[in-house]
Amino acid sequence: DTGVSQDPRHKITKRGQNVTFRCDPISEHNRLYWYRQTLGQGPEFLTYFQNEAQLEKSRLLSDRFSAERPKGSFSTLEIQRTEQGDSAMYLCASSSGTGVTNEKLFFGSGTQLSVL
Amino acid sequence: GNSVTQMEGPVTLSEEAFLTINCTYTATGYPSLFWYVQYPGEGLQLLLKATKADDKGSNKGFEATYRKETTSFHLEKGSVQVSDSAVYFCALSPVHASGGSYIPTFGRGTSLIVHP
Repeated sequence: DTGVSQDPRHKITKRGQNVTFRCDPISEHNRLYWYRQTLGQGPEFLTYFQNEAQLEKSRLLSDRFSAERPKGSFSTLEIQRTEQGDSAMYLCASSSGTGVTNEKLFFGSGTQLSVL
Repeated sequence: GNSVTQMEGPVTLSEEAFLTINCTYTATGYPSLFWYVQYPGEGLQLLLKATKADDKGSNKGFEATYRKETTSFHLEKGSVQVSDSAVYFCALSPVHASGGSYIPTFGRGTSLIVHP
C-alpha cells in the first residue's frame, strides 16, 4: 500500500494558463474524489469517480474544470484559463466503498496551486 | 443539504489538558460520522468513525459518540500531547438504501495547538 500520490506538490502559474494535476489512488480502490481546500476551510467537493465513470460533479465546478479517470486507474484534473480565485490546495482521495455505504477516504498530500 | 459545523479555532491547550472539539451536523438519511486529522505538511487521515446512533468511535486516546438526538459528534481526549497539534475535521457521509449521493461533506476544521 503506497498510499494516494499527487503530482505536482506545488504549481505556480500565470492567470489564463492551463494546468493539469495527476492523482494515483491506492491500486485496489474503485472510488476517487477530488476536493479543493482553501486556507481555514475544510475540503470542498469537486467531483467523484467510481471506476472510470464520473458520477457526480459539484455545482460549484465551472466549465473550466474537467476531470478524467481513464481505465479506472489514475485521474487528472485540468483547469483551463486559470483565475486567481482558483488558487487553493487540490486534494485527491480514494476509497474502496461498495454498495450503499461509504468507507473511509484515503487522502493524498495535495497539489498547492498558486495563480499569479 | 448536508452540512457540518465545527467550533472555530485555534484551540490552545497545555499538555495533559482535556480536549473537546464540538461538531454538529445536518443531514438527510442516516449518515456515518468521521473525524479526520491533518498534521502539518501531511494529507488528511481518518482518526475515528461511527456509523450509527450511540456508537462510540475511538483511536489514539480520542473518542467521539454519535448523538442522534443532538445531531452531534464531539471529539474528546482526556490528556493531550504536543504531538496532537494538528487540524481536526469533522465529516459526514450519507448512507442511502438506494440512490442518493453519499459524497462525504467536511467541516471547516479546528486547529489544535498544544504547548509543553
